[in-house]
Amino acid sequence: DSGVTQTPKHLITATGQRVTLRCSPRSGDLSVYWYQQSLDQGLQFLIQYYNGEERAKGNILERFSAQQFPDLHSELNLSSLELGDSALYFCASSANEGGEQYFGPGTRLTVT
Amino acid sequence: SQQGEEDPQALSIQEGENATMNCSYKTSINNLQWYRQNSGRGLVHLILIRSNEREKHSGRLRVTLDTSKKSSSLLITAARAADTASYFCATDEDNAGNMLTFGGGTRLMVKP
Repeated sequence: DSGVTQTPKHLITATGQRVTLRCSPRSGDLSVYWYQQSLDQGLQFLIQYYNGEERAKGNILERFSAQQFPDLHSELNLSSLELGDSALYFCASSANEGGEQYFGPGTRLTVT
Repeated sequence: SQQGEEDPQALSIQEGENATMNCSYKTSINNLQWYRQNSGRGLVHLILIRSNEREKHSGRLRVTLDTSKKSSSLLITAARAADTASYFCATDEDNAGNMLTFGGGTRLMVKP
């Protein structure tokens, strides 16, 4: 158990819908990262927050957005969902910026 | 996009044998990390090697880094059936924030 929690574990929704994925980092960790894992694209970095501020952006679609709240938990919002958005979405946290990251169990999103 | 390429993509060995996985990357890095993923689950951090280090050990794991060749290897000695998993290298690139760029992974099967 990494100490990072993600909810929900599974999510099935229809195209065009909007969903919110939630992540609680390890106690004391200030950085939160979001990754997407799909069969065709592999593991892709989406976005990083550090102590509430956006720090780095990767291959994140404009339909996706994220935020980190004062209590350090983070949410990833996915809207206008397409079939190709079906993937595992992982959240990771680290104590500071850089160094090893601790991954949550992921949210499996299925868009039908 | 993926920075790292891992070789081989799949590896099957008997218990007690050694497993070696290789990773190549393209840009200069701060550090390189290895992660393990059991089928469809979250990633588990194994080891981090900094750009100024050449070799690192952790239990049955040995990691080498050759920054001149932009490559790394992960050696698992005396593999066990429980080591069956996918192994990913991930690079923390210079001037790229703290995002990790993952390779495509090596699927390791250890037969009892």
